[in-house]
Amino acid sequence: QQQVKQSPQSLIVQKGGISIINCAYENTAFDYFPWYQQFPGKGPALLIAIRPDVSEKKEGRFTISFNKSAKQFSLHIMDSQPGDSATYFCAAVPTAGGTSYGKLTFGQGTILTVHP
Amino acid sequence: SQTIHQWPATLVQPVGSPLSLECTVEGTSNPNLYWYRQAAGRGLQLLFYSVGIGQISSEVPQNLSASRPQDRQFILSSKKLLLSDSGFYLCAWSVIGSYEQYFGPGTRLTVT
Repeated sequence: QQQVKQSPQSLIVQKGGISIINCAYENTAFDYFPWYQQFPGKGPALLIAIRPDVSEKKEGRFTISFNKSAKQFSLHIMDSQPGDSATYFCAAVPTAGGTSYGKLTFGQGTILTVHP
Repeated sequence: SQTIHQWPATLVQPVGSPLSLECTVEGTSNPNLYWYRQAAGRGLQLLFYSVGIGQISSEVPQNLSASRPQDRQFILSSKKLLLSDSGFYLCAWSVIGSYEQYFGPGTRLTVT
């Protein structure tokens, strides 16, 4: 119940295309959903995050779509660029009650390759 | 602004040797601190977290231990390394009450 399932494991997209990465969860207590971007040999960096009170959040070319009833959320990268080639992780955490201590449950990651 | 440091950046150690990895955070007080391990460049496994000096919680029983001797210092240790301890070790911090975690640059550990 604590898992976050992420798909696909790897994704190849042409420059200018749309990259879509999906995540699904079971724990209905999860109410904060961040996405992280990690370049090889570096630590992950927070990219964008969403709470379930909104169905979509957009920051530049990055958009999170959230479907609370389906317990799914996804990252869309519009106009994908070779510089977007990285590993992307979704994550989830319950925030109510303050007892999670910020412990994120991560998906297994998606390796995105954008070809020029 | 806040910054997080980890050292060393890379480490090669023989089986059975001790380990000490250090993480420090600057520009904030009383952060939550976390140690993760990442194997084969994929998933992040939470090893330890700390909500204050001397307060350590372990997520996975293993050959490692953690300590927080100062507010913004987090140390990962082992008395005797195993081959399976190889991996990319990441430290992260967050503001108490916030759920945004910020990761350090990581330490690549190879146990030979």
